[in-house]
Amino acid sequence: DTAVSQTPKYLVTQMGNDKSIKCEQNLGHDTMYWYKQDSKKFLKIMFSYNNKELIINETVPNRFSPKSPDKAHLNLHINSLELGDSAVYFCASSYRTGRSGNTIYFGEGSWLTVV
Amino acid sequence: AQKVTQAQTEISVVEKEDVTLDCVYETRDTTYYLFWYKQPPSGELVFLIRRNSFDEQNEISGRYSWNFQKSTSSFNFTITASQVVDSAVYFCALSEDRGGADGLTFGKGTHLIIQP
Repeated sequence: DTAVSQTPKYLVTQMGNDKSIKCEQNLGHDTMYWYKQDSKKFLKIMFSYNNKELIINETVPNRFSPKSPDKAHLNLHINSLELGDSAVYFCASSYRTGRSGNTIYFGEGSWLTVV
Repeated sequence: AQKVTQAQTEISVVEKEDVTLDCVYETRDTTYYLFWYKQPPSGELVFLIRRNSFDEQNEISGRYSWNFQKSTSSFNFTITASQVVDSAVYFCALSEDRGGADGLTFGKGTHLIIQP
């Protein structure tokens, strides 16, 4: 059983389209994240949710909208895709028990290519 | 603001050599956590270790060892007797309390190539 699973793994789409990436975790964690890895392998946090509440929202275009229907799911919807959105998007999860530092586990990544 | 620096962009060694990956961090917090992750060619991010700022003991796990030194703000990772399967990009990361949910600040990664 995959602990953090995200779908699709590969996505090729045209500019201007709207697409979603889904993420689910079965670890019982209360916090979920989206990270973006660019073509130079640099990883940066985009969003984090704790118990379905948005906690971190880094400088990300409004075209990116996370949705957390419950603690186990955090989906990423992207409107009006642009070439620069091409990247690998990682979902992740962890416990948040009142102290920082709990280990963050990542999904396998979703490779998004905008053409 | 926090920052993680991995000055070595790429390291190439021959199998069975020992190799050390450097990580230097900056933070104003007294409580923080440091991590190492491995990203093999298949692309997933694999957790290797977490260390909190109050525990400066070195850690060894098989061929892997980590040296945490607060005096130099470093958290270096050594692979002993490297193997081809160790070839990957290795990321050092820092976590601070961000108001209810941790976020990781990553270094730019070190691409480790182990040649047979």
